[in-house]
Amino acid sequence: QKEVEQNSGPLSVPEGAIASLNCTYSDRGSQSFFWYRQYSGKSPELIMFIYSNGDKEDGRFTAQLNKASQYVSLLIRDSQPSDSATYLCAVGGGATNKLIFGTGTLLAVQP
Amino acid sequence: GAGVSQSPSNKVTEKGKDVELRCDPISGHTALYWYRQSLGQGLEFLIYFQGNSAPDKSGLPSDRFSAERTGGSVSTLTIQRTQQEDSAVYLCASSLVVWEIAKNIQYFGAGTRLSVL
Repeated sequence: QKEVEQNSGPLSVPEGAIASLNCTYSDRGSQSFFWYRQYSGKSPELIMFIYSNGDKEDGRFTAQLNKASQYVSLLIRDSQPSDSATYLCAVGGGATNKLIFGTGTLLAVQP
Repeated sequence: GAGVSQSPSNKVTEKGKDVELRCDPISGHTALYWYRQSLGQGLEFLIYFQGNSAPDKSGLPSDRFSAERTGGSVSTLTIQRTQQEDSAVYLCASSLVVWEIAKNIQYFGAGTRLSVL
């Protein structure tokens, strides 16, 4: 079992819809959870981070964390074609907070 | 600087040659991380620096890989006797260490794309 798992997609949604991206992790001691967006050929760009159970909203983005279920998700409301990218879930913790990444979900927003 | 800077952006080398990749972190960031992103492998952790010391080298794939950091700033990742499987994008990230380390946010550079022929 991979430490951080994501559906590779592609996840295709129409413009204006809600895109839901999911991630599960295996280490119950994980303390920090991040969503990065990566456009093709570019480096990861931080979208959201969450540390506590529940929801965290920032503009069109909402991160949800459920530590009991070892599950973290990212919702993108009013999806735009510019949101089309690979979304990487990353989990951190421990003395160094090194990040363990999932392989990413490719999101395609159709105009 | 304004962001994490990496050089070169692209490096093509022949199998067996040594390469050096450079990372200049965000000014004031004491934590520095190297990751590698390979096709089909995702992003994997290589090494972590706090200041000039490397308390976690657990991700370095072999003894051909080494890294150092000087002056608490610039870091160099060296790959000796490169192999074709070393071809990947090498990403550097830095973070401002706060007291609750789990809340350190890592910001990534643009990466160095290494191609070993």
